[in-house]
Amino acid sequence: AQRVTQPEKLLSVFKGAPVELKCNYSYSGSPELFWYVQYSRQRLQLLLRHISRESIKGFTADLNKGETSFHLKKPFAQEEDSAMYYCALSGLRGAGGTSYGKLTFGQGTILTVHP
Amino acid sequence: DGGITQSPKYLFRKEGQNVTLSCEQNLNHDAMYWYRQDPGQGLRLIYYSQIVNDFQKGDIAEGYSVSREKKESFPLTVTSAQKNPTAFYLCASSMRLRLAGADTQYFGPGTRLTVL
Repeated sequence: AQRVTQPEKLLSVFKGAPVELKCNYSYSGSPELFWYVQYSRQRLQLLLRHISRESIKGFTADLNKGETSFHLKKPFAQEEDSAMYYCALSGLRGAGGTSYGKLTFGQGTILTVHP
Repeated sequence: DGGITQSPKYLFRKEGQNVTLSCEQNLNHDAMYWYRQDPGQGLRLIYYSQIVNDFQKGDIAEGYSVSREKKESFPLTVTSAQKNPTAFYLCASSMRLRLAGADTQYFGPGTRLTVL
């Protein structure tokens, strides 16, 4: 089975401080990892995916297969980064017959950046 | 933010009644999904569909049913068998469900269902 864990429900930082949102996953195969973000009164939307290795809005995330982690980082947080962040995993079809391509989401982390 | 719409925005239901949530997309996407969002539990997959006239159960399909008669539409029915239906429901779509992984999913604005 595939599982995503975001250990922090709430995370508060001050503007200009570094921020790291933690994500750990459990999957026996080769996963694809994503970060989705939901700003206040907006739809859930893709922030970044590990396969594209992009930096979006100053955020980066590195897939660490040894530690099974995909932490989201930003060196200098801004007030507009305040939002709900979800880590998500998509796996290939495994021996157990789990379906490929579905996303499994973590519980989410609410980030608040104070002025 | 057009492309994928959900209606209604708020829905109230009495216990014992079935209710259908609408999801429509004009993005020409093949795959569509229904998630349930509860505080502290993230998004959980209810049903998904890769093509018209085909759909599969997700992780929490009990008490729900879907249909996919048209590419653009993927309605979700919350039946009276669903023990705890009060939640925020999100519909999403993607270009396809690829063998090598997932395409980006685009989400609708959601429907908040409250059982009275």
